[in-house]
Amino acid sequence: LAKTTQPISMDSYEGQEVNITCSHNNIATNDYITWYQQFPSQGPRFIIQGYKTKVTNEVASLFIPADRKSSTLSLPRVSLSDTAVYYCLVGDGDGNKLVFGAGTILRVKS
Amino acid sequence: DAGVTQSPTHLIKTRGQQVTLRCSPKSGHDTVSWYQQALGQGPQFIFQYYEEEERQRGNFPDRFSGHQFPNYSSELNVNALLLGDSALYLCASSLGGGWGKSITDTQYFGPGTRLTVL
Repeated sequence: LAKTTQPISMDSYEGQEVNITCSHNNIATNDYITWYQQFPSQGPRFIIQGYKTKVTNEVASLFIPADRKSSTLSLPRVSLSDTAVYYCLVGDGDGNKLVFGAGTILRVKS
Repeated sequence: DAGVTQSPTHLIKTRGQQVTLRCSPKSGHDTVSWYQQALGQGPQFIFQYYEEEERQRGNFPDRFSGHQFPNYSSELNVNALLLGDSALYLCASSLGGGWGKSITDTQYFGPGTRLTVL
């Protein structure tokens, strides 16, 4: 089964850029890497998805190196409302299963 | 455009009982996945349904079963409940879960059903 590793928590201040990295070995070669945001007692909310290199949308960027053994979510200029848990989601390289990371608690301070 | 909806919001059961949770996918989506999220942990993949069939399954016992209806809505059934089944159960929908397509196509999550087993 694919194994994922994320930092347990990160602290930041408003206006700063935050980078959260997920290490993932044994992921499926043709599957996407996806990042989600989750607030307490809510379902995860889609942030961004990519396959390789760099993807950018209106809220975040996603960097994926050529070996796809990690991915980095970049949140530009965070605000207090970005305080949440962030998860990476990958496909298992040993079969068609979905594997979430354990999540990174991001705390944004004023 | 309705998003993913789940019912009920909260549920309390006792050990040994059976429970059924329901999910309606986002409009236009045909694939439904179910996850279990214990307190303080990441979601764990239970299974995914497409065309009324279980497409893939995570490491969950047979006590966990599901169904998908022709209108793409889905049910999760858990038999012989254990205390450890207490969790937030999440449903996610996506489009185009056809065989040969990536299981990781973008999923949209519902708010979840909080199950407490006493």
